[in-house]
Amino acid sequence: EVQLVQSGAEVKKPGESLKMSCKGSGYNFTNYWIGWVRQMPGKGLEWMGIIYPGDSDTRYRPSFQGQVTISADKSISSAYLQWSSLKGSDTALYFCARLSGDHVDHWGQGTLVTVSS
Amino acid sequence: QSALTQPASVSGSPGQSITISCTGTSSDVGVYNYVSWYQQHPGKAPKLMIYEVSNRPSGISNRFSGSKSGNTASLTISGLQAEDEADYYCSSYTRSSTLYVFGTGTKVTVL
Repeated sequence: EVQLVQSGAEVKKPGESLKMSCKGSGYNFTNYWIGWVRQMPGKGLEWMGIIYPGDSDTRYRPSFQGQVTISADKSISSAYLQWSSLKGSDTALYFCARLSGDHVDHWGQGTLVTVSS
Repeated sequence: QSALTQPASVSGSPGQSITISCTGTSSDVGVYNYVSWYQQHPGKAPKLMIYEVSNRPSGISNRFSGSKSGNTASLTISGLQAEDEADYYCSSYTRSSTLYVFGTGTKVTVL
Protein backbone atom coordinates (compact mmCIF):
# COMPACT_ATOMS: atom_id res chain seq x y z
CA GLU A 1 0.00 0.00 0.00
CA VAL A 2 1.34 3.41 -1.01
CA GLN A 3 1.63 5.80 1.92
CA LEU A 4 3.02 9.27 2.50
CA VAL A 5 3.46 10.01 6.20
CA GLN A 6 4.24 13.57 7.22
CA SER A 7 5.83 14.84 10.39
CA GLY A 8 3.70 16.27 13.16
CA ALA A 9 2.21 19.68 13.80
CA GLU A 10 4.57 22.52 14.69
CA VAL A 11 4.20 25.70 16.71
CA LYS A 12 6.97 28.21 16.04
CA LYS A 13 7.88 31.82 16.66
CA PRO A 14 8.60 34.30 13.85
CA GLY A 15 12.22 34.06 12.76
CA GLU A 16 12.64 30.43 13.77
CA SER A 17 13.60 27.70 11.31
CA LEU A 18 11.63 24.60 10.44
CA LYS A 19 12.14 21.42 8.42
CA MET A 20 9.19 19.11 7.88
CA SER A 21 9.30 15.65 6.37
CA CYS A 22 7.28 13.36 4.15
CA LYS A 23 8.20 9.66 4.16
CA GLY A 24 7.04 7.46 1.33
CA SER A 25 6.47 3.73 1.52
CA GLY A 26 4.94 0.98 -0.56
CA TYR A 27 6.51 2.10 -3.85
CA ASN A 28 9.81 3.02 -5.48
CA PHE A 29 10.30 6.50 -4.01
CA THR A 30 12.86 7.52 -6.64
CA ASN A 31 10.48 7.11 -9.57
CA TYR A 32 7.76 9.66 -8.75
CA TRP A 33 7.77 13.42 -8.39
CA ILE A 34 6.80 14.66 -4.93
CA GLY A 35 5.06 18.00 -4.62
CA TRP A 36 4.41 20.31 -1.68
CA VAL A 37 1.07 22.10 -1.40
CA ARG A 38 0.14 24.95 0.93
CA GLN A 39 -3.32 25.62 2.27
CA MET A 40 -3.62 28.80 4.29
CA PRO A 41 -6.48 29.02 6.82
CA GLY A 42 -9.81 29.08 4.99
CA LYS A 43 -8.09 29.28 1.59
CA GLY A 44 -7.44 27.07 -1.41
CA LEU A 45 -4.65 24.76 -2.47
CA GLU A 46 -1.40 26.19 -3.86
CA TRP A 47 1.49 24.32 -5.44
CA MET A 48 4.77 25.37 -3.81
CA GLY A 49 7.16 23.20 -5.77
CA ILE A 50 8.05 19.70 -6.82
CA ILE A 51 11.08 17.44 -6.58
CA TYR A 52 12.13 14.27 -8.36
CA PRO A 53 13.90 12.18 -5.69
CA GLY A 54 15.77 10.14 -8.29
CA ASP A 55 18.04 13.07 -9.20
CA SER A 56 16.77 15.87 -6.91
CA ASP A 57 15.57 17.94 -9.88
CA THR A 58 13.51 20.66 -8.15
CA ARG A 59 11.07 23.25 -9.51
CA TYR A 60 9.62 26.09 -7.47
CA ARG A 61 6.55 28.21 -8.04
CA PRO A 62 8.01 31.72 -8.48
CA SER A 63 6.25 33.11 -5.40
CA PHE A 64 7.95 30.47 -3.23
CA GLN A 65 11.41 30.62 -4.82
CA GLY A 66 13.87 31.78 -2.20
CA GLN A 67 11.27 31.50 0.58
CA VAL A 68 11.47 27.73 1.13
CA THR A 69 13.81 24.88 0.28
CA ILE A 70 12.59 21.54 -1.03
CA SER A 71 14.91 18.56 -0.78
CA ALA A 72 14.85 14.78 -0.73
CA ASP A 73 16.90 11.88 0.62
CA LYS A 74 16.18 8.88 -1.56
CA SER A 75 18.15 6.57 0.74
CA ILE A 76 15.41 6.92 3.35
CA SER A 77 12.51 7.65 0.96
CA SER A 78 11.89 11.08 2.41
CA ALA A 79 11.20 14.54 1.07
CA TYR A 80 11.55 17.77 3.02
CA LEU A 81 10.23 21.30 3.11
CA GLN A 82 12.17 23.83 5.10
CA TRP A 83 12.24 27.46 6.12
CA SER A 84 15.22 29.36 7.52
CA SER A 85 13.14 32.17 9.00
CA LEU A 86 9.40 31.72 9.49
CA LYS A 87 6.84 34.51 9.26
CA GLY A 88 3.30 34.70 10.55
CA SER A 89 2.08 34.36 6.98
CA ASP A 90 3.61 30.86 6.84
CA THR A 91 0.84 29.65 9.16
CA ALA A 92 -0.88 27.01 7.06
CA LEU A 93 -1.57 23.34 6.49
CA TYR A 94 1.09 21.77 4.27
CA PHE A 95 0.59 18.61 2.24
CA CYS A 96 3.07 16.47 0.39
CA ALA A 97 1.72 14.68 -2.65
CA ARG A 98 2.87 11.96 -5.04
CA LEU A 99 2.53 12.87 -8.68
CA SER A 100 1.60 10.07 -11.05
CA GLY A 101 2.24 11.72 -14.37
CA ASP A 102 -0.07 14.70 -14.48
CA HIS A 103 -2.08 14.18 -11.31
CA VAL A 104 -1.71 13.50 -7.58
CA ASP A 105 -2.69 9.96 -6.73
CA HIS A 106 -1.58 9.93 -3.09
CA TRP A 107 -1.46 12.64 -0.45
CA GLY A 108 0.19 12.92 2.93
CA GLN A 109 -2.06 13.59 5.91
CA GLY A 110 -0.89 17.19 6.18
CA THR A 111 1.29 19.09 8.65
CA LEU A 112 -0.17 22.11 10.43
CA VAL A 113 2.30 24.92 11.04
CA THR A 114 1.40 27.75 13.39
CA VAL A 115 3.74 30.73 13.55
CA SER A 116 2.96 33.14 16.35
CA SER A 117 4.85 35.26 18.83
CA GLN B 1 1.13 31.60 -13.02
CA SER B 2 -2.42 32.51 -11.92
CA ALA B 3 -4.85 30.02 -10.47
CA LEU B 4 -7.50 28.46 -12.70
CA THR B 5 -10.92 30.09 -12.21
CA GLN B 6 -13.74 28.20 -10.52
CA PRO B 7 -17.07 29.43 -9.13
CA ALA B 8 -16.85 30.04 -5.40
CA SER B 9 -19.91 27.94 -4.65
CA VAL B 10 -22.41 25.60 -6.26
CA SER B 11 -25.42 24.03 -4.60
CA GLY B 12 -28.05 21.46 -5.39
CA SER B 13 -30.68 19.26 -3.81
CA PRO B 14 -30.18 15.55 -3.21
CA GLY B 15 -30.58 13.61 -6.45
CA GLN B 16 -29.92 16.61 -8.68
CA SER B 17 -26.92 17.12 -10.94
CA ILE B 18 -24.47 19.98 -10.62
CA THR B 19 -21.56 21.10 -12.78
CA ILE B 20 -18.41 22.91 -11.65
CA SER B 21 -16.41 24.82 -14.26
CA CYS B 22 -12.66 25.36 -14.31
CA THR B 23 -11.41 28.04 -16.70
CA GLY B 24 -7.78 28.29 -17.67
CA THR B 25 -5.82 29.53 -20.64
CA SER B 26 -4.13 28.33 -23.79
CA SER B 27 -1.05 27.61 -21.65
CA ASP B 28 -2.75 25.01 -19.46
CA VAL B 29 -6.33 23.68 -19.75
CA GLY B 30 -6.62 24.67 -23.39
CA VAL B 31 -3.54 22.86 -24.57
CA TYR B 32 -3.21 19.80 -22.33
CA ASN B 33 -5.63 16.96 -21.56
CA TYR B 34 -4.10 16.86 -18.11
CA VAL B 35 -6.90 18.21 -15.96
CA SER B 36 -7.62 16.53 -12.65
CA TRP B 37 -10.24 17.12 -9.96
CA TYR B 38 -9.92 16.73 -6.18
CA GLN B 39 -12.49 16.57 -3.39
CA GLN B 40 -11.54 17.92 0.02
CA HIS B 41 -13.52 17.63 3.21
CA PRO B 42 -12.67 20.11 6.00
CA GLY B 43 -9.33 19.39 7.66
CA LYS B 44 -8.66 16.41 5.43
CA ALA B 45 -6.27 15.70 2.59
CA PRO B 46 -7.68 16.12 -0.92
CA LYS B 47 -8.84 13.02 -2.80
CA LEU B 48 -8.45 12.41 -6.52
CA MET B 49 -11.82 12.18 -8.28
CA ILE B 50 -10.98 12.60 -11.98
CA TYR B 51 -7.69 12.60 -13.92
CA GLU B 52 -6.76 13.33 -17.52
CA VAL B 53 -10.02 15.26 -18.01
CA SER B 54 -12.47 12.37 -17.76
CA ASN B 55 -10.88 9.28 -16.19
CA ARG B 56 -12.11 7.98 -12.83
CA PRO B 57 -9.67 6.26 -10.48
CA SER B 58 -10.62 2.88 -9.13
CA GLY B 59 -13.23 3.19 -6.38
CA ILE B 60 -14.67 6.54 -7.47
CA SER B 61 -18.40 6.52 -8.14
CA ASN B 62 -19.57 6.88 -11.75
CA ARG B 63 -21.72 9.75 -10.48
CA PHE B 64 -18.60 11.85 -11.01
CA SER B 65 -17.67 12.72 -14.58
CA GLY B 66 -15.35 15.17 -16.28
CA SER B 67 -15.13 16.92 -19.63
CA LYS B 68 -13.34 19.75 -21.39
CA SER B 69 -14.08 22.27 -24.09
CA GLY B 70 -11.47 24.78 -25.16
CA ASN B 71 -9.97 26.48 -22.11
CA THR B 72 -12.70 25.26 -19.74
CA ALA B 73 -12.93 21.92 -17.97
CA SER B 74 -15.97 20.74 -16.05
CA LEU B 75 -16.81 18.32 -13.27
CA THR B 76 -20.37 16.99 -13.11
CA ILE B 77 -21.80 15.30 -10.05
CA SER B 78 -25.02 13.47 -10.77
CA GLY B 79 -27.43 12.05 -8.20
CA LEU B 80 -26.10 14.49 -5.61
CA GLN B 81 -25.69 12.98 -2.14
CA ALA B 82 -25.09 14.49 1.28
CA GLU B 83 -21.54 13.11 1.39
CA ASP B 84 -20.68 15.04 -1.78
CA GLU B 85 -20.74 18.26 0.24
CA ALA B 86 -17.09 19.36 0.17
CA ASP B 87 -14.63 21.66 -1.57
CA TYR B 88 -13.59 20.73 -5.08
CA TYR B 89 -10.41 21.81 -6.86
CA CYS B 90 -9.34 21.38 -10.44
CA SER B 91 -5.69 21.20 -11.43
CA SER B 92 -3.91 21.34 -14.76
CA TYR B 93 -0.48 20.78 -16.16
CA THR B 94 0.89 24.06 -17.45
CA ARG B 95 3.60 25.27 -19.80
CA SER B 96 5.00 27.50 -17.06
CA SER B 97 8.05 26.45 -15.07
CA THR B 98 5.85 25.48 -12.14
CA LEU B 99 4.37 22.63 -14.18
CA TYR B 100 1.07 22.46 -12.28
CA VAL B 101 -1.65 24.90 -11.20
CA PHE B 102 -4.75 24.52 -9.03
CA GLY B 103 -8.13 26.11 -9.45
CA THR B 104 -9.52 28.60 -6.93
CA GLY B 105 -11.81 25.97 -5.43
CA THR B 106 -15.59 25.49 -5.31
CA LYS B 107 -17.66 24.78 -2.22
CA VAL B 108 -20.45 22.34 -3.00
CA THR B 109 -23.47 22.52 -0.73
CA VAL B 110 -26.19 19.88 -0.69
CA LEU B 111 -29.41 21.64 0.23
